[in-house]
Amino acid sequence: NAGVTQTPKFQVLKTGQSMTLQCAQDMNHNSMYWYRQDPGMGLRLIYYSASEGTTDKGEVPNGYNVSRLNKREFSLRLESAAPSQTSVYFCASSVRTSGIQETQYFGPGTRLLVL
Amino acid sequence: KQEVTQIPAALSVPEGENLVLNCSFTDSAIYNLQWFRQDPGKGLTSLLLIQSSQREQTSGRLNASLDKSSGRSTLYIAASQPGDSATYLCAVRRSSGSARQLTFGSGTQLTVLP
Repeated sequence: NAGVTQTPKFQVLKTGQSMTLQCAQDMNHNSMYWYRQDPGMGLRLIYYSASEGTTDKGEVPNGYNVSRLNKREFSLRLESAAPSQTSVYFCASSVRTSGIQETQYFGPGTRLLVL
Repeated sequence: KQEVTQIPAALSVPEGENLVLNCSFTDSAIYNLQWFRQDPGKGLTSLLLIQSSQREQTSGRLNASLDKSSGRSTLYIAASQPGDSATYLCAVRRSSGSARQLTFGSGTQLTVLP
């Protein structure tokens, strides 16, 4: 049981290049999320997927697209990278327990530098 | 718009000391509040989750309290150890709209000195 995995761990891009960040979970969770973490700003939600086949915008979706490929996988794509997208990106998944509680489980992060 | 603040941004204490980390939020209409731990270069690990109807939750040496009306939560760590050194983040889930969106504070970086 690997939990939430992310690839790659590190990436350097030039402005204008595109790339896809991959995320997979093996916990059979319905909901998945993409966050970015910037110094002094905490985590901000980019996109989330409440269930397979659905995606919704979060707080900072501009410049990103997502795909919920299947229940396990949720990818984040940068079509034309900008220096403002330099950040650490975290994927998470969640399950509802005890009827009301919902705990998110996080991947190790992808560190992205856009030059 | 919900804003979550954690003060101080960094804290350094000697081993064995009891300590309190603070979290405040501007909108009291929350569904729950969660405390996370983040180790350098790693993802987040959930420590405690408090539902809006609860006042506190305990796990081992950790105790989290919630005062929804005043918009505050505290994380109490008893008998701190060097292994507790990490960044601690709190996050709130709002009770209306999309129930899955968390708003995070920027964290308190804790260093426990041996």
